[in-house]
Amino acid sequence: QSVLTQPPSASGTPGQRVTISCSGSSSNIGSNYVYWYQQLPGTAPKLLIYRNNQRPSGVPDRFSGSKSGTSASLAISGLRSEDEADYYCAAWDDSLSAVFGGGTQLTVL
Amino acid sequence: EVQLVESGGGLVKPGGSLRLSCAASGFTFSSYSMNWVRQAPGKGLEWVSSISSSSSYIYYADSVKGRFTISRDNAKNSLYLQMNSLRAEDTAVYYCARDWIYNGEPPGYWGQGTLVTVSS
Repeated sequence: QSVLTQPPSASGTPGQRVTISCSGSSSNIGSNYVYWYQQLPGTAPKLLIYRNNQRPSGVPDRFSGSKSGTSASLAISGLRSEDEADYYCAAWDDSLSAVFGGGTQLTVL
Repeated sequence: EVQLVESGGGLVKPGGSLRLSCAASGFTFSSYSMNWVRQAPGKGLEWVSSISSSSSYIYYADSVKGRFTISRDNAKNSLYLQMNSLRAEDTAVYYCARDWIYNGEPPGYWGQGTLVTVSS
């Protein structure tokens, strides 16, 4: 059972906007930054969003992050077939550990 | 370019030991905290351990506390994970990961991973 809660799956059609939620608690999301990762099949995770809503260089602006209270969201606009992947949220917890969501498998229909 | 290359994975019997290594390049290794994160087959990501830049602060997940030891050698630009008393549930791909920019936050750079299989 993961500390952060994500929906196991999400889907959308090309060009559509999809959002993936991540729910935590006051000791993690509520008091620390949220990070988002994309993991393509058979590859290592790749950083998509850091500090709630910041994009590393090279990440398309179709990807955006937000946080409110103890929840966060990743939004993907203009959905493309290459966005089909697993997405994970993460945060540091005040118990001195990093915590991850269980992952959301995104399907592009 | 940041590069993290793990090695040392393999097949080990329950109760056995294994030492993972991570060779870092492309950045000043001694300036960043480092992490081990694992992923069991078909499962999600699980943080294992973190070590600060000077090894002053070390943290472990409850699931590995007392069995795994993280360490680093800044002179060799290397990170290690000594795994003892291995169990079937430790079977996973183990990723070496570096803090993004800010210490004490989730990692930003990941290696390609090394597979550890615990089975008799």
